[in-house]
Amino acid sequence: DAKTTQPNSMESNEEEPVHLPCNHSTISGTDYIHWYRQLPSQGPEYVIHGLTSNVNNRMASLAIAEDRKSSTLILHRATLRDAAVYYCILRGGGYQKVTFGIGTKLQVIP
Amino acid sequence: DAGVIQSPRHEVTEMGQEVTLRCKPISGHNSLFWYRQTMMRGLELLIYFNNNVPIDDSGMPEDRFSAKMPNASFSTLKIQPSEPRDSAVYFCASSSEDRVVNEQFFGPGTRLTVL
Repeated sequence: DAKTTQPNSMESNEEEPVHLPCNHSTISGTDYIHWYRQLPSQGPEYVIHGLTSNVNNRMASLAIAEDRKSSTLILHRATLRDAAVYYCILRGGGYQKVTFGIGTKLQVIP
Repeated sequence: DAGVIQSPRHEVTEMGQEVTLRCKPISGHNSLFWYRQTMMRGLELLIYFNNNVPIDDSGMPEDRFSAKMPNASFSTLKIQPSEPRDSAVYFCASSSEDRVVNEQFFGPGTRLTVL
């Protein structure tokens, strides 16, 4: 699996936007970019994914660089419930092995 | 759907004892994963099943660990004998290969403490 690099931790004020970066310079042409998050004492949950174009869903937006070597998960208005560890993952076709790194621990300040 | 179900949620045992963790995947999913999470190593994939067949067990730490999937609705992860270093949270996840996205759905985890 191609490797991703994320900051270990970030802080955000409540109700402000949060931009979580991820570098994946060795991404292959068929790799999808997936984001998961893990709330305290829970299992990880899927957030969003994309291939080349920017994506929006009810949870977040995903902005993908034109060269696909980096991406940014955007939470438009952080809430206390968004405090979690966020994982950026690359998923190719075929076998579904996923390598979760350490992720970014997001702290939301009231 | 109830989601992925794991049992027990917490397990405390003594070194040398056998431990069995159980998982019921989401109905209709044909892929199942066992993960282990610790502070030191993060979330590690132990084994991956597809259509009840183990496809990749390269993450299983040693022979003390074994996993089975006798049918599409049940899987077990067994540790025998258990050691204190096995203390961790063990997650089961399932997904459906029929979908393009193939996102994994995780259970609530089993927190294992080996004394």
